[in-house]
Amino acid sequence: AQSVTQLGSHVSVSEGALVLLRCNYSSSVPPYLFWYVQYPNQGLQLLLKYTSAATLVKGINGFEAEFKKSETSFHLTKPSAHMSDAAEYFCAVSDIKRGKIIFGSGTRLSIRP
Amino acid sequence: DVKVTQSSRYLVKRTGEKVFLECVQDMDHENMFWYRQDPGLGLRLIYFSYDVKMKEKGDIPEGYSVSREKKERFSLILESASTNQTSMYLCASRISDRVEQFFGPGTRLTVL
Repeated sequence: AQSVTQLGSHVSVSEGALVLLRCNYSSSVPPYLFWYVQYPNQGLQLLLKYTSAATLVKGINGFEAEFKKSETSFHLTKPSAHMSDAAEYFCAVSDIKRGKIIFGSGTRLSIRP
Repeated sequence: DVKVTQSSRYLVKRTGEKVFLECVQDMDHENMFWYRQDPGLGLRLIYFSYDVKMKEKGDIPEGYSVSREKKERFSLILESASTNQTSMYLCASRISDRVEQFFGPGTRLTVL
């Protein structure tokens, strides 16, 4: 069975500060991992995905995530937060055979001026 | 760009009503999904469909049914709406040989 745990339901950072959103996964097969972002009153948008190629994955809007198998982690980072980054972020895991995605409970990111 | 549309952004219904939520995608995707999103619970899969007229139960199918008569359209049906079905409903689609799913804007359903 696969599962995802997002550490911290709410993270607040100052504008210009480092953003770090934590995600740990559990999977009995090599996982595919995702980060999605949801802006207020909108659907989910894919930020980035890991599909067993490079372990450091770059996404849109300056975000990146590193797959660490030994730590079963896939943390999301951005060097310098912008006010427009305020949103809810979901980490997710899947395997290609089943095609279903398991989502974490989400982390709301707030940006302080 | 993939476009997934949902018939309503906001919907208010009364307990016991039959509710239809429609989802349409324009990229010929084989697979389509219905989720509900609740605070602190993330997204939970209700039903999914691998192809036309095919459907499979997700993690929380109770109280819901689905219909997929055409490839581009996937409908979620609440046969008799209840207050505990008040939620945000998200539709998604994907092409069968890719892993990522593309989401619609969501329908916020309130059942009074």
